[in-house]
Amino acid sequence: QQQVKQSPQSLIVQKGGIPIINCAYENTAFDYFPWYQQFPGKGPALLIAIRPDVSEKKEGRFTISFNKSAKQFSLHIMDSQPGDSATYFCAASKETSGSRLTFGEGTQLTVNP
Amino acid sequence: DGGITQSPKYLFRKEGQNVTLSCEQNLNHDAMYWYRQDPGQGLRLIYYSQIVNDFQKGDIAEGYSVSREKKESFPLTVTSAQKNPTAFYLCASSGTIRSYEQYFGPGTRLTVT
Repeated sequence: QQQVKQSPQSLIVQKGGIPIINCAYENTAFDYFPWYQQFPGKGPALLIAIRPDVSEKKEGRFTISFNKSAKQFSLHIMDSQPGDSATYFCAASKETSGSRLTFGEGTQLTVNP
Repeated sequence: DGGITQSPKYLFRKEGQNVTLSCEQNLNHDAMYWYRQDPGQGLRLIYYSQIVNDFQKGDIAEGYSVSREKKESFPLTVTSAQKNPTAFYLCASSGTIRSYEQYFGPGTRLTVT
């Protein structure tokens, strides 16, 4: 059973736009929510992560918004650039499972020049 | 230059043959993981290892086997029992099983015909 649902499956924006990718989870025991960025033919790279004790975290142009009551979190990319074109995965983990991550299905982002 | 290496990048095998994928890390990480990635899907955990000489099944372990004889190495064997072995295989590591940050290798694309 899919525990982390990610949407949309694909997203196209113009340069400078603010793409938003959403994830919803079911297990309230999850306590760590990372986002990974993956370029074609490469392994994913950790982009930014959040824990449920904060509602927002920013790192450069990337922001995670977290809504604990709704069991949802989202990634916002400010001033998006063509170099941001990649597949983005959200994930979730819980302390009792160590660092075992449950991944969403991924969102393929295209930023047009 | 620290990191995770996977070899080869591309691997071709005939149906019915076992094949072993290599994963080596020089990050001095205790925990290592194997994931499978199929087009349009998220990453699915095959096996993981918390320490040397110990490993556990992930969500899709059937048809796969692993060993962890050295801290640096975690090879994955795709056996002939795996019904759909063609996929992109990713190896990852983290400092400990309780360290949430996972670092990924570049992946091996296996094609079985």
